[in-house]
Amino acid sequence: GPKVLQIPSHQIIDMGQMVTLNCDPVSNHLYFYWYKQILGQQMEFLVNFYNGKVMEKSKLFKDQFSVERPDGSYFTLKIQPTALEDSAVYFCASSLDWGGYEQYFGPGTRLTVL
Amino acid sequence: DAKTTQPDSMESTEGETVHLPCSHATISGNEYIYWYRQVPLQGPEYVTHGLQQNTTNSMAFLAIASDRKSSTLILPHVSLRDAAVYHCILRDQGGSAKLIFGEGTKLTVSS
Repeated sequence: GPKVLQIPSHQIIDMGQMVTLNCDPVSNHLYFYWYKQILGQQMEFLVNFYNGKVMEKSKLFKDQFSVERPDGSYFTLKIQPTALEDSAVYFCASSLDWGGYEQYFGPGTRLTVL
Repeated sequence: DAKTTQPDSMESTEGETVHLPCSHATISGNEYIYWYRQVPLQGPEYVTHGLQQNTTNSMAFLAIASDRKSSTLILPHVSLRDAAVYHCILRDQGGSAKLIFGEGTKLTVSS
């Protein structure tokens, strides 16, 4: 089936540094999502994005977080500055349309903040 | 979005047909029932979805009760690759696009 790619698979950084997580969504998809999963816990929604704009975000999407997809390239999640509680696996997803369409997930980026 | 209730875990043996229940007593009329599954170290995978009628695809059969207050995901002839956490999620097609994951049901398949 359609594939979503995420780069890198694992990132280790020091607290306070900036990190950018990259997502290569399914080629004809227009809606993009980030989810966060702390080890052993439930997956939680962070944000979704369409046509250059954030459509929905959760309370987990702190001011230090930002998303963009410049010129149809990677869909990115930037965290600046990072905090210890940002350590988690971040999953990117994409869908063809809003609401009724299934979301395709990437394999995740494991972020470790020291 | 309305809440769903699923058993924490279920066990099966290869080749069996598995029935995964989901209760959603407060489902509203325009909410669809979605099923995703997740194996360790991978992102969730879409399985199926339905509104009122039973649905079937290459992965599973979704049986929806006539009052829509419960549903059952039926996995025919499970293999070891079907071992995963299965999530039953309600979504309003015209509302939010976010998926709200719960604990799900951890399906164990033994050989």
